[in-house]
Amino acid sequence: AQTVTQSQPEMSVQEAETVTLSCTYDTSESDYYLFWYKQPPSRQMILVIRQEAYKQQNATENRFSVNFQKAAKSFSLKISDSQLGDAAMYFCAYRNSGGSNYKLTFGKGTLLTVNP
Amino acid sequence: ETGVTQTPRHLVMGMTNKKSLKCEQHLGHNAMYWYKQSAKKPLELMFVYNFKEQTENNSVPSRFSPECPNSSHLFLHLHTLQPEDSALYLCASSPEDYGGGKLFFGSGTQLSVL
Repeated sequence: AQTVTQSQPEMSVQEAETVTLSCTYDTSESDYYLFWYKQPPSRQMILVIRQEAYKQQNATENRFSVNFQKAAKSFSLKISDSQLGDAAMYFCAYRNSGGSNYKLTFGKGTLLTVNP
Repeated sequence: ETGVTQTPRHLVMGMTNKKSLKCEQHLGHNAMYWYKQSAKKPLELMFVYNFKEQTENNSVPSRFSPECPNSSHLFLHLHTLQPEDSALYLCASSPEDYGGGKLFFGSGTQLSVL
């Protein structure tokens, strides 16, 4: 079974600085998807960024980018120019690309605090 | 407007009560999900409905009973719950089953069982 590990329960960053959230996963599959979801105090989970394992290029969405290391099974999220609105729980998630076991598997989350 | 609306936002119930959680999506999606979010634990998938048919029941106790009357509405009927069932219950939808992993979530119902 696939597992997702977020080793940082909490992180903090100064406004306008850069922070990196870590995620590792375990799988025997070669084709899969990885995601970062954000859950602000409003509790609504929002997709931040998605990476397809067959793509070597790291995904980028504005100030959010990932460092995808397939061999190391590592998928970190970098937030540049941090803003107060970035404060939230961040969840890393994994999904097989197909087959019968394609449900999302989430990590336990990292609580990000942004200090003014 | 999130597109996925959950009611109520908060719910306190006794162990002998019967209550229902409601989820409605206005996105035209065909798949809907119930997740349980407990403190310091990963999100737990409970149920999946695709085109109104239940496609997954993740070994959820029978005191949780889902209902999906159409692709836009999803309910979770609760009865004789236990205190350990206290959690945030999140509803999500996607264009089809798992929709490439991009799920649209509601803001959840925070449930407390006394």
